[in-house]
Amino acid sequence: DTGVSQDPRHKITKRGQNVTFRCDPISEHNRLYWYRQTLGQGPEFLTYFQNEAQLEKSRLLSDRFSAERPKGSFSTLEIQRTEQGDSAMYLCASSLPGTSDTGELFFGEGSRLTVL
Amino acid sequence: AQSVTQPDIHITVSEGASLELRCNYSYGATPYLFWYVQSPGQGLQLLLKYFSGDTLVQGIKGFEAEFKRSQSSFNLRKPSVHWSDAAEYFCAVGAKGYQKVTFGTGTKLQVIP
Repeated sequence: DTGVSQDPRHKITKRGQNVTFRCDPISEHNRLYWYRQTLGQGPEFLTYFQNEAQLEKSRLLSDRFSAERPKGSFSTLEIQRTEQGDSAMYLCASSLPGTSDTGELFFGEGSRLTVL
Repeated sequence: AQSVTQPDIHITVSEGASLELRCNYSYGATPYLFWYVQSPGQGLQLLLKYFSGDTLVQGIKGFEAEFKRSQSSFNLRKPSVHWSDAAEYFCAVGAKGYQKVTFGTGTKLQVIP
């Protein structure tokens, strides 16, 4: 399977714990995005990387959230001191270099976080 | 700021009937417009996109959409719906050189026999 993969698919945690999600983009894609989707809502942009550089962050990304893409390949999204409001589906997407201006995104299946 | 409105939260159609899902966008410049589909347990998949040129765009799975600048709309259509089309559909807007794509809240499509 050469699509975008995310791990874990589901995570249940207690409030106050830290969680980390991993995303492996399509191998030739140099842009990687994180979105968050809550029930009844569309995906909301969190941040994106071009290679290893984090070029834009949404105001939704509080200081408890940190994303990295250390070698320009896979990315991690860490949430510290989780709150119940963090419960959501965290989506990763990547895009092709040649069409990276177009927003044509290839999404993974998402990582669902439940904070108890 | 760009925004997308999908006025219909839920739509039910009979298999074989035609379908139109509404999308209105707000963006000051020429928008890039997209329709994505999300089936249960699957990632979002691009159905079609509009950047410029012909305002009627064809996509995968027999879908098409028409860009109407005067109405700020980009409605999705399909002449004959199949049971496998049951899913959630998201309209999205972006712009050239701008990486943030803004999604609507989605329309959930139910197909009845």
